[in-house]
Amino acid sequence: ELKVEQNPLFLSMQEGKNYTIYCNYSTTSDRLYWYRQDPGKSLESLFVLLSNGAVKQEGRLMASLDTKARLSTLHITAAVHDLSATYFCAVGTWREYGNKLVFGAGTILRVKS
Amino acid sequence: NAGVTQTPKFRVLKTGQSMTLLCAQDMNHEYMYWYRQDPGMGLRLIHYSVGEGTTAKGEVPDGYNVSRLKKQNFLLGLESAAPSQTSVYFCASSYSRGDRFFGPGTRLTVL
Repeated sequence: ELKVEQNPLFLSMQEGKNYTIYCNYSTTSDRLYWYRQDPGKSLESLFVLLSNGAVKQEGRLMASLDTKARLSTLHITAAVHDLSATYFCAVGTWREYGNKLVFGAGTILRVKS
Repeated sequence: NAGVTQTPKFRVLKTGQSMTLLCAQDMNHEYMYWYRQDPGMGLRLIHYSVGEGTTAKGEVPDGYNVSRLKKQNFLLGLESAAPSQTSVYFCASSYSRGDRFFGPGTRLTVL
């Protein structure tokens, strides 16, 4: 059974600081997604990572994937208040799960001025 | 393009009542999904569909039924609502191996 664990579940950080959110998963995966959710809103796709060593960057966010360690990271550089949101990773294995994804519990990020 | 839309946005039901949530997408996606989101638990898949006329169970299908009579619509039904079904429900759609596009959500409270 595929399990996805995110940590931390809550992160309060100062503006300008760097931090990393971790996403561990239990079985082999061929795709990993990161989503952002603002309070009361829907989920917005941030990154899709499809291969070992994949790295993608958008603004102050950078996501990477290590399939051997079954680990993805979402790195935040010089945080700003606008990054406050909940971040989810989601993992799937096409062979075993078709197009189903298993979501982590989410990391609530609060950036303080 | 409207993307993925959901109706209604909010609903309050009494225990035992029934209702149907409607999801519509205008992106010609084959795959559609219904998720529920509960605090601290991420999103859990209720049912999904890989094409018109097909449906399949997800992680938490009990108490729900679905239908996909038209490619662009995916309906989620609650035949006899229970307080445990209080949640936020999200519909999503995708191409077969593509990223998901999520609807705005339906906030359901069962008293």
